[in-house]
Amino acid sequence: AQRVTQPEKLLSVFKGAPVELKCNYSYSGSPELFWYVQYSRQRLQLLLRHISRESIKGFTADLNKGETSFHLKKPFAQEEDSAMYYCALSDTGAQKLVFGQGTRLTINP
Amino acid sequence: NAGVTQTPKFRILKIGQSMTLQCTQDMNHNYMYWYRQDPGMGLKLIYYSVGAGITDKGEVPNGYNVSRSTTEDFPLRLELAAPSQTSVYFCASRSWTVDGSSYEQYFGPGTRLTVT
Repeated sequence: AQRVTQPEKLLSVFKGAPVELKCNYSYSGSPELFWYVQYSRQRLQLLLRHISRESIKGFTADLNKGETSFHLKKPFAQEEDSAMYYCALSDTGAQKLVFGQGTRLTINP
Repeated sequence: NAGVTQTPKFRILKIGQSMTLQCTQDMNHNYMYWYRQDPGMGLKLIYYSVGAGITDKGEVPNGYNVSRSTTEDFPLRLELAAPSQTSVYFCASRSWTVDGSSYEQYFGPGTRLTVT
């Protein structure tokens, strides 16, 4: 079964510190993974997708197939990064996403 | 483009009442989805549709029904509201990237439903 696990419900770091949001998945095949973000009073929106190998707002995520992980990282956290972050996995037929439980990130000044 | 719109924003239902959550998108997307978001539980897929006239169950479909008569609209129906259906409901639609290598889901603002 396809599953996404985000082990941290809450994560709090100080401004300027590095931040890492963990995501592990179970999938028998070539996974397609995403990070979605929901800022306060805003809609859930795509942050980045692994296939693009892009850096968005200073965030990067590397797919590690050996460890079945797709952790989200940023070297220097900013207060505006405070939000709810969801890791998501595309199903086999690329018809729907399976979401993790989400991690609420708080950046302290 | 308005994107994905949902109505109402908030609703309180009594146990056993019924209601329809409306979802409309103006991006001509074929794929549409309904999720519920419970605290600490992430997003659970209720139903989805790959085009007009085609719907399929997601992970938690019990107690809900959907229809897709047009590309734009994807209403979610609760027939006999129960306290367990208290949640925030999100509608989403999906488009492929320009190069067709991936896709992105666009979410509505959500409907906060309380059943008492």
